[in-house]
Amino acid sequence: GAGVSQTPSNKVTEKGKYVELRCDPISGHTALYWYRQSLGQGPEFLIYFQGTGAADDSGLPNDRFFAVRPEGSVSTLKIQRTERGDSAVYLCASSPIAGGSNEQFFGPGTRLTVL
Amino acid sequence: GENVEQHPSTLSVQEGDSAVIKCTYSDSASNYFPWYKQELGKRPQLIIDIRSNVGEKKDQRIAVTLNKTAKHFSLHITETQPEDSAVYFCAATVGYSTLTFGKGTMLLVSP
Repeated sequence: GAGVSQTPSNKVTEKGKYVELRCDPISGHTALYWYRQSLGQGPEFLIYFQGTGAADDSGLPNDRFFAVRPEGSVSTLKIQRTERGDSAVYLCASSPIAGGSNEQFFGPGTRLTVL
Repeated sequence: GENVEQHPSTLSVQEGDSAVIKCTYSDSASNYFPWYKQELGKRPQLIIDIRSNVGEKKDQRIAVTLNKTAKHFSLHITETQPEDSAVYFCAATVGYSTLTFGKGTMLLVSP
């Protein structure tokens, strides 16, 4: 079946602009996670959804970052007033939860470059 | 919150040798420990995982050991092959919560 997909694969924007990054999880997966990965580092947690609600958003760095999952499937990560320090690969992952599975399946990521 | 330390940061081995990567974690409540392999420009992919109720798990050339008392876990790869070259990440979590990752180990297997 189809895995986790993310669009766009690459996004170049100018400092101060607004961007939206989209994640399509594996069908039926209840949990959805956003991570940010900087060069040479491991993924860092941003926000975690169970269904439509954010179960944990403590990883969002500041109020410029916001994410939604209105129908419990597709999620959008929104970044306002982008800064050069926001440049990174944004990874999305989903997990079935049902049946006790913890495994998180990652998407290919969106590489965001803020000029 | 959870803190995961991973060593070494780089590891070079000859084809056929074994490779060992070690991680420690801080939160004694953590109960799920996956290992991910990430090739350059690709997504992280799960290669093996272990839960806190077992001490060791093996899948062909890959094994993971867990010491709950010492709060450390290790990845063992035997008979390494050039295609094992990648960055490996350990992670820890409680239940279905978010993963806390180590900083990664770049493994280079030379033919």
